[in-house]
Amino acid sequence: GENVEQHPSTLSVQEGDSAVIKCTYSDSASNYFPWYKQELGKRPQLIIDIRSNVGEKKDQRIAVTLNKTAKHFSLHITETQPEDSAVYFCARSGQTGANNLFFGTGTRLTVIP
Amino acid sequence: EAQVTQNPRYLITVTGKKLTVTCSQNMNHEYMSWYRQDPGLGLRQIYYSMNVEVTDKGDVPEGYKVSRKEKRNFPLILESPSPNQTSLYFCATRFTTGAPDTQYFGPGTRLTVL
Repeated sequence: GENVEQHPSTLSVQEGDSAVIKCTYSDSASNYFPWYKQELGKRPQLIIDIRSNVGEKKDQRIAVTLNKTAKHFSLHITETQPEDSAVYFCARSGQTGANNLFFGTGTRLTVIP
Repeated sequence: EAQVTQNPRYLITVTGKKLTVTCSQNMNHEYMSWYRQDPGLGLRQIYYSMNVEVTDKGDVPEGYKVSRKEKRNFPLILESPSPNQTSLYFCATRFTTGAPDTQYFGPGTRLTVL
């Protein structure tokens, strides 16, 4: 199917704690998995992405892990800060690669100071 | 300054009145795409274009038309808008070759169809 299931839909963490958001998919042809951050009233912005030939990618406090066998990928944010508060969307590529993206339904992350 | 622009940013219209939302980019990107964002549904792709005169349907193309006559512009056309097309619309662009897959989103257009 085309759906990407994203969990949880809302997540509250204390400042400094870690946050994990998980997405699952069913199309084994997907090979590109980006994550977008959308602040209130703003446009989505890419924060990290991963291709299927890599199991993990890290950029400072943000990391993404991919398990192609189990068809799930996760976003990990460590040492969370109030400015991390936003809605996060995962996505997977379709049959035409990164030209055709299917998004999850979003996770609203709140970092409590 | 590299940017993606959309016009209008806000629009309230009535059922059946044809409208066009414009998207323009100055980054020389080959690929352009339209998404709609609805609460609880995330972003869904409407149409995309790999280059001039090349367009393809996305996940939810019904009720929409697009055209790509110039590289920098990718207008979204609603020939006969209906209330279920009330949504927040985003245009996105990126390179297709020799560059990261990063999509750059426009600022969004909030459309209300009464």
